[in-house]
Amino acid sequence: SQTIHQWPATLVQPVGSPLSLECTVEGTSNPNLYWYRQAAGRGLQLLFYSVGIGQISSEVPQNLSASRPQDRQFILSSKKLLLSDSGFYLCAAHGLWLPYPQYGYTFGSGTRLTVV
Amino acid sequence: AQSVTQLGSHVSVSEGALVLLRCNYSSSVPPYLFWYVQYPNQGLQLLLKYTTGATLVKGINGFEAEFKKSETSFHLTKPSAHMSDAAEYFCAVSYGGANNLFFGTGTRLTVIP
Repeated sequence: SQTIHQWPATLVQPVGSPLSLECTVEGTSNPNLYWYRQAAGRGLQLLFYSVGIGQISSEVPQNLSASRPQDRQFILSSKKLLLSDSGFYLCAAHGLWLPYPQYGYTFGSGTRLTVV
Repeated sequence: AQSVTQLGSHVSVSEGALVLLRCNYSSSVPPYLFWYVQYPNQGLQLLLKYTTGATLVKGINGFEAEFKKSETSFHLTKPSAHMSDAAEYFCAVSYGGANNLFFGTGTRLTVIP
């Protein structure tokens, strides 16, 4: 079934520390993958998307980066976190989902990041 | 430029009352339209979507939405609110392609007992 695993669920990191959030996808092949950020009281902001392995497009300039080392793995990273990086990060995938073939978006359960 | 507007960042209704969450989009081409629900500290769950065909779309949990091209709207409704409907609701539009699922800013629904 269509599932997105996202971890960790919560994270508290000091300013200046590195970040690595991981997302893996089940139930589809060659999906488009997305990282969104949801800041407190605000909507969803698209950060990065990927249409294939090693292909990353950035929507918002920032100190974050993304990588896609495998077809169904998407990683969000930072070398040095800022206070403004705090928020709720969501991974999403768009593809043809099994067992009932249909296109659609599926979201992970999110990571609550607090930078202190 | 494509955009999605959700009128009202907070909506409160009494239990059993009608729920109406508004969504308008701006586009020169017909979009695909979605409503998602988000419970606290969780991801987004698809409520319903419109792609083609019948303009009145029924979703999960008793919600439905009607695509009105002339009004560029896709408002979400439910005849009778339940306490479990309290959540944040997002309207989104897509025009195909890899990077264009655009979200509104969300509406937080509170259900008063």
